[in-house]
Amino acid sequence: QITLKESGPTLVKPTQTLTLTCTFSGFSLSTSGVGVGWIRQPPGKALEWLALIYWNDDKRYSPSLKSRLTITKDTSKNQVVLTMTNMDPVDTATYYCSHIPNSYVYYDYWGQGTLVTVSS
Amino acid sequence: DIQMTQSPSTLSASVGDRVTITCRASQSISSWLAWYQQKPGKAPKLLIYKASSLESGVPSRFSGSGSGTEFTLTISSLQPDDFATYYCQQYNSQFSFGQGTKLEIK
Repeated sequence: QITLKESGPTLVKPTQTLTLTCTFSGFSLSTSGVGVGWIRQPPGKALEWLALIYWNDDKRYSPSLKSRLTITKDTSKNQVVLTMTNMDPVDTATYYCSHIPNSYVYYDYWGQGTLVTVSS
Repeated sequence: DIQMTQSPSTLSASVGDRVTITCRASQSISSWLAWYQQKPGKAPKLLIYKASSLESGVPSRFSGSGSGTEFTLTISSLQPDDFATYYCQQYNSQFSFGQGTKLEIK
């Protein structure tokens, strides 16, 4: 059974760096084709893809946020970490991590999400 | 960037109705399209991938069709559990979502 769970701060101040960790079970990020993605959703708004990382350490970023994002994996710990620099109130959102079952990037399992509020 | 546009933004329907949601891509994405259902306070749930492939465990009243730039999600007979927001997502180039379609009870 595949599960994912996001963890990190619920409140960050403007200009700070956000670090979120996705801890997963039920699959290995060393299996060919597998990946983990991050998606966010501001309150009452649509989903927005942020970044993803594949089993072979190939990384992709949203063009509009690329300069602020870094995604890494720790296969031994079954974790993927997303950092976002220079946080702004418009970055207030629920952040989800999700499982990519093969090299085609759709998401078949999702974490419960974590709400991050950016406020001074 | 590929833009995904869903219509309508809101849809009012009754239990038993057949409903269709449309998703248009700003350029061809072949069949690289997924559909998700999201209920308030919950993570999205995958319904359809590769435009028309039904995810395991998803009821057969859900179906997807289309290729290129125009796609549809059809629910053949609405059930009370189906009232939710639906999103399309392309995975041809980058991985953008549509703006969502809220399916409401009439």
